[in-house]
Amino acid sequence: GQQVMQIPQYQHVQEGEDFTTYCNSSTTLSNIQWYKQRPGGHPVFLIQLVKSGEVKKQKRLTFQFGEAKKNSSLHITATQTTDVGTYFCAGQPYGSSNTGKLIFGQGTTLQVKP
Amino acid sequence: DSGVTQTPKHLITATGQRVTLRCSPRSGDLSVYWYQQSLDQGLQFLIQYYNGEERAKGNILERFSAQQFPDLHSELNLSSLELGDSALYFCASSPRTEGGYTFGSGTRLTVV
Repeated sequence: GQQVMQIPQYQHVQEGEDFTTYCNSSTTLSNIQWYKQRPGGHPVFLIQLVKSGEVKKQKRLTFQFGEAKKNSSLHITATQTTDVGTYFCAGQPYGSSNTGKLIFGQGTTLQVKP
Repeated sequence: DSGVTQTPKHLITATGQRVTLRCSPRSGDLSVYWYQQSLDQGLQFLIQYYNGEERAKGNILERFSAQQFPDLHSELNLSSLELGDSALYFCASSPRTEGGYTFGSGTRLTVV
């Protein structure tokens, strides 16, 4: 079946260091979305990427969508303790736009040491 | 408050029992999605409803069923509960079938 793999599973960084999580789909995606889930909380939508090769920035966060629309990355520059949480990528398989169904990656849990 | 309301927040029940989880989507959203989150399996898609009709189905067990009512709220029914059904159940909604989801705060189900 369709799968979205995300690495690494865990990442511990010192405050101020950079962080990157990578997402890889087994099939071509219509779009990819990123969510953040704080400990004890629910996933919160961050961004959606639709175009091949698209790059979007939100302050210290940079999101990229691969040329083949099968992979994506999230890079955080100069992490802060407020960045702690689990980051999920979620892909909408190509051809499923009539459903809106998302396949979630396993998530990368980020810990930041002050 | 995300605008998606899930009740109850916590549920503890015995094996073999049946429970109903409720979700009210954000105002104006037509799509409702149910996901199961467990420690070892991440967010697993269960089922989607769009404007009252089932639109997509994931790896939802036969013991589980769902429906969306005319006022667009949705219920997820879990029956013959097993210990392995213990998990966090999230409901999410979106305006149509594209764009980001808004998640509710989840129902934590514990089967003992």
